[in-house]
Amino acid sequence: KAGVTQTPRYLIKTRGQQVTLSCSPISGHRSVSWYQQTPGQGLQFLFEYFSETQRNKGNFPGRFSGRQFSNSRSEMNVSTLELGDSALYLCASSLSLSSTDTQYFGPGTRLTVL
Amino acid sequence: AQSVTQLDSHVSVSEGTPVLLRCNYSSSYSPSLFWYVQHPNKGLQLLLKYTSAATLVKGINGFEAEFKKSETSFHLTKPSAHMSDAAEYFCVVSGGAGNTGKLIFGQGTTLQVKP
Repeated sequence: KAGVTQTPRYLIKTRGQQVTLSCSPISGHRSVSWYQQTPGQGLQFLFEYFSETQRNKGNFPGRFSGRQFSNSRSEMNVSTLELGDSALYLCASSLSLSSTDTQYFGPGTRLTVL
Repeated sequence: AQSVTQLDSHVSVSEGTPVLLRCNYSSSYSPSLFWYVQHPNKGLQLLLKYTSAATLVKGINGFEAEFKKSETSFHLTKPSAHMSDAAEYFCVVSGGAGNTGKLIFGQGTTLQVKP
């Protein structure tokens, strides 16, 4: 079975621009979560989607948004980029919303904001 | 609220010696706990998970962890370190009721393995 895929793997943007990241979950997985990883803050939860609905959101400004499609693929969007948005963005998929389900992570998208 | 604390930011061992990475958790309910590993420029890989079954959990690559409720600990061990074990390790707790898909990560422990 193919793992979680994320595109693009690397992005360079300038302040004020917006960016869209894409995540394709493992086949059959219906839950997709997004995390931001930075050296200073570590790994932080952004949001979670299940059946095209956002189920949970982390403590991030409204510039961060996402959506999930009927095939469970997900996108996240960051508008009006700031230097502090430079990070590795990780997507994870799982079968359901159960806390015992394993979340499988993709390789991440490395975003650099100049 | 759920949280995890990894007690060491950096651990250095010699190849062939035991590994101990320490993790304490705080949870208002019976938690699901995980250890993930991240190699440089790679995504996160699950090593093992505890979900209220056996308290001693065996994972991949010879790692295991023991859930100790009385000590609120979930330490990761391996009898003999290999050079390929050098990586960042994260202790993780699930978010609990209403937040089950949310994983809460510790700050990570960098494991260095010396030849």
